[in-house]
Amino acid sequence: EIVLTQSPATLSLSPGERATLSCRASQSVSSYLAWYQQKPGQAPRLLIYDASNRATGIPARFSGSGSGTDFTLTISSLEPEDFAVYYCQQRSNWPRMYTFGQGTKLEIK
Amino acid sequence: EVQLVQSGAEVKKPGESLKISCKGSGYSFTSYWIGWVRQMPGKGLEWMGIIYPGDSDTRYSPSFQGQVTISADKSISTAYLQWSSLKASDTAMYYCVSELEGSGPFDYWGQGTLVTVSS
Repeated sequence: EIVLTQSPATLSLSPGERATLSCRASQSVSSYLAWYQQKPGQAPRLLIYDASNRATGIPARFSGSGSGTDFTLTISSLEPEDFAVYYCQQRSNWPRMYTFGQGTKLEIK
Repeated sequence: EVQLVQSGAEVKKPGESLKISCKGSGYSFTSYWIGWVRQMPGKGLEWMGIIYPGDSDTRYSPSFQGQVTISADKSISTAYLQWSSLKASDTAMYYCVSELEGSGPFDYWGQGTLVTVSS
């Protein structure tokens, strides 16, 4: 079973700053890596899929990169609404299995 | 417009059974995988399992195999998650999710069903 490890657990930044969130897989996941944002009391929302593709309606300040085992979500300039919890997720094909990372909480400094 | 609409919140006692539902609309229900994700209070997301309604092919996370049953009724475009005997530790928010993109992301989420198990 593939394990996803996110770092840091908590990231404290100010609006306007750049955020860099990491997700490391215990073995290669190719590019089948997605990122989600979850705000309190809401269902998660897909931000990035296939490591670097923005989902529909996601602002350009969100970008994803990486392949294999190391992936990064970057928010170029934080807006007040970006403070939330972020999860990475992967799918393996044989067998078909999905895994989430434990999450990174992005909080206002 | 793609929508996943889940059944309402439930309050149950330990040992009781439960079946919650998720109705898909706005897409071909039988052509895409639909699954369930658990979120315990204050905790992260856990994938539970997924079903392909077209042929009922079902996969479970090892953590949930034997603990829950996932099914689907394609005639009414609805997926289900059921327990035969609830435990207090099943208290959580449960989300249904769809994989329309095809490469693994859960691109659509239901609104969540809160299940509370308490004596």
